[in-house]
Amino acid sequence: GAVVSQHPSWVICKSGTSVKIECRSLDFQATTMFWYRQFPKQSLMLMATSNEGSKATYEQGVEKDKFLINHASLTLSTLTVTSAHPEDSSFYICSAYTGGESQPQHFGDGTRLSIL
Amino acid sequence: QKEVEQDPGPLSVPEGAIVSLNCTYSNSAFQYFMWYRQYSRKGPELLMYTYSSGNKEDGKFTAQVDKSSKYISLFIRDSQPSDSATYLCAMSVGTGGFKTIFGAGTRLFVKA
Repeated sequence: GAVVSQHPSWVICKSGTSVKIECRSLDFQATTMFWYRQFPKQSLMLMATSNEGSKATYEQGVEKDKFLINHASLTLSTLTVTSAHPEDSSFYICSAYTGGESQPQHFGDGTRLSIL
Repeated sequence: QKEVEQDPGPLSVPEGAIVSLNCTYSNSAFQYFMWYRQYSRKGPELLMYTYSSGNKEDGKFTAQVDKSSKYISLFIRDSQPSDSATYLCAMSVGTGGFKTIFGAGTRLFVKA
């Protein structure tokens, strides 16, 4: 149980384009999803917390107009990197919380984004 | 000082060895402690999830939490080459992933 699917797994695109990444909870409903960014050989850095039906909460230093988050349903959150530039190249990982007491978050397999 | 300190390694051990991975932390309010395994270019996979102090065992993995020392450990018994990965410790004050702080991750190599 608690499977999180992330798509696409790898995307390469030209500078200036926008890229959408999907995060789905396959076998549970997730009122909250998290978006992380991970640079090579570094740990996960939380970008934003996505709540179903409301605006996302962004961490300090993360541009909300650059990284658009939509959590339209209990099983889907999307991250759109707008007007992507080479410095946005990174590994983006989502996670979802199943709800209830004493429950951890479960991660998707990540999206490798390369901006040329 | 980082909230969570974890030696990035790499740590290289022979097949069959017992592996000990550790993290220290500074925030005494942390109550939930996790260990994740991350293979290259994959998302983290939850291995152990513990609340407060004590030991927890699951198969070949044992997690220990010593809140008095602000120190957590993960032991891997009978390590195999397939255990080669990066191991991330993580901790939070509350449940559900909110305000979770991750360690830098320790890269483990198990040699056949």
